[in-house]
Amino acid sequence: AQKITQTQPGMFVQEKEAVTLDCTYDTSDPSYGLFWYKQPSSGEMIFLIYQGSYDQQNATEGRYSLNFQKARKSANLVISASQLGDSAMYFCAMRYTGRRALTFGSGTRLQVQP
Amino acid sequence: DVKVTQSSRYLVKRTGEKVFLECVQDMDHENMFWYRQDPGLGLRLIYFSYDVKMKEKGDIPEGYSVSREKKERFSLILESASTNQTSMYLCASGTSVSLTYEQYFGPGTRLTVT
Repeated sequence: AQKITQTQPGMFVQEKEAVTLDCTYDTSDPSYGLFWYKQPSSGEMIFLIYQGSYDQQNATEGRYSLNFQKARKSANLVISASQLGDSAMYFCAMRYTGRRALTFGSGTRLQVQP
Repeated sequence: DVKVTQSSRYLVKRTGEKVFLECVQDMDHENMFWYRQDPGLGLRLIYFSYDVKMKEKGDIPEGYSVSREKKERFSLILESASTNQTSMYLCASGTSVSLTYEQYFGPGTRLTVT
């Protein structure tokens, strides 16, 4: 079965430092997409970044980058220069061929300290 | 901007009541989804719809039903609410079956069943 694992329930980081949020996945499908979403305390889910299984380059979006290691089936999110507004829940998710919905991990709560 | 709205941010219902959660999207998306979010479990798919009057069960459909009479509107129905359905409910919409497309989420409805 397809599965997403986020092993860090909570993380702390100092403001302006970089932080890596871990995500591993399990699928036998060669074609899949990986997503990261941010959920602030207000509750809305905000799309951050996408990585396709055939993409040669790691995805980047501003301060967000995705460390994609296909052989290890990991898709870690790197946030550079953390800001107080980065404090939120972060979810890794996957879509694979034939499934319209996303499969989500359990999430990581990130707290940025001043 | 894509907008997904949900009828209520907070809802309190009694055990045994019939509960309707409404979701509306304004981007003509063919796909709409209902997820349930619980601490430590991430988001789990309840039902999704890929067209008007078309629906498919997700991973946890028991105790729920859905209705999609118009393309922009997708309703989640709890026929007889139970305390174990106390949770955050998130609606999402998206277009195409491409792996790259993101889902757009509503603000969520926090349902408490007493």
